[in-house]
Amino acid sequence: DQQVKQNSPSLSVQEGRISILNCDYTNSMFDYFLWYKKYPAEGPTFLISISSIKDKNEDGRFTVFLNKSAKHLSLHIVPSQPGDSAVYFCAATPNNAGNMLTFGGGTRLMVKP
Amino acid sequence: DAGVIQSPRHEVTEMGQEVTLRCKPISGHNSLFWYRQTMMRGLELLIYFNNNVPIDDSGMPEDRFSAKMPNASFSTLKIQPSEPRDSAVYFCASSLFRNTEAFFGQGTRLTVV
Repeated sequence: DQQVKQNSPSLSVQEGRISILNCDYTNSMFDYFLWYKKYPAEGPTFLISISSIKDKNEDGRFTVFLNKSAKHLSLHIVPSQPGDSAVYFCAATPNNAGNMLTFGGGTRLMVKP
Repeated sequence: DAGVIQSPRHEVTEMGQEVTLRCKPISGHNSLFWYRQTMMRGLELLIYFNNNVPIDDSGMPEDRFSAKMPNASFSTLKIQPSEPRDSAVYFCASSLFRNTEAFFGQGTRLTVV
């Protein structure tokens, strides 16, 4: 059973436009959510996170939105840049589980110049 | 800081052989994680250490897998005997506190032939 799902395996966006990556979860115990970016042959790198007590967190071009009632979160990248092309993973963890992350399957973002 | 350091970067071994993957976490981090990435199962947590003590090993697939953390600066993941289905990229990650981001190493690509 996939507790964290990213239903879009890939997304293609024009440079300068908005990229929206989506993530759904089923475990109601999850209360901390993270997005990681991964380039080929490298480990995932942390991008942005959000606690369940918030519904939005912003860091520069990146904003994460959390809808707890829908068990849904999204990552917005505005404006998108070619260097943002990578695989993006959504991850979640319950408060009492340290940083034991459950990852989604990833979405490959391609930003075209 | 050099980040999380994993060795080797690539390992090719024959079925039945013992494989040892190594990890040096970021200095001062008190949590260490081993993850495995495969096409079929994505990124999955294998084991989690806190203050050098294994806290959760429910993700370890079989008794052929074992992990140790003899001190705060070193951990190993051993597979004995190895099988072709163990072929994957193995990531080590470390973090400082609960609900802060985990930092990943570059991974070890294991191929068992």
